[in-house]
Amino acid sequence: GENVEQHPSTLSVQEGDSAVIKCTYSDSASNYFPWYKQELGKGPQLIIDIRSNVGEKKDQRIAVTLNKTAKHFSLHITETQPEDSAVYFCAASFRGGQFYFGTGTSLTVIP
Amino acid sequence: KAGVTQTPRYLIKTRGQQVTLSCSPISGHRSVSWYQQTPGQGLQFLFEYFSETQRNKGNFPGRFSGRQFSNSRSEMNVSTLELGDSALYLCASSFSAGGPGETQYFGPGTRLLVL
Repeated sequence: GENVEQHPSTLSVQEGDSAVIKCTYSDSASNYFPWYKQELGKGPQLIIDIRSNVGEKKDQRIAVTLNKTAKHFSLHITETQPEDSAVYFCAASFRGGQFYFGTGTSLTVIP
Repeated sequence: KAGVTQTPRYLIKTRGQQVTLSCSPISGHRSVSWYQQTPGQGLQFLFEYFSETQRNKGNFPGRFSGRQFSNSRSEMNVSTLELGDSALYLCASSFSAGGPGETQYFGPGTRLLVL
């Protein structure tokens, strides 16, 4: 089955700096890669996603890049703010309803 | 549009008991997936239901089961609870005609503590 690895497990950045989280996947059939943000006591919330026919996608301060050849994708957050502090999960899917998640990155933005 | 709702939000059980968790998907969504989240194992896929049928299943023992009703609401059941079943159980819904790239939306989860 699919295996998703996520790095780093923890990340601290100064407010205003950029944060980058990287994930690799093993199954070349995976074609959908969402990123979720989970705050304490809440379920994961989708923040951005990318499909395999696209190399990059941007939404304001958040961007995701995908390298299908190398089987890795990354989340980029620019101009970080304290409210960006949360746990971020990457995921991969090749069919609806079944997602494989990375182990999460705890991001702390220091004011 | 209301989001995914899960009940109850918190639950305390003892070993050997059984538990039933409920999930109501976003209106119009027909697929419901269940995940177990623990600090050590992260988010692990349990199973997915679509049109009252289990479509996908993860690697969990038979003590974990589920079902889906005609209104797309879903329940999962864990029998003979073990201490290791303590976790946050998350439900996610999607419209899901079965093709790839279907976005999933998560509920707030049910936190289960087994004593």
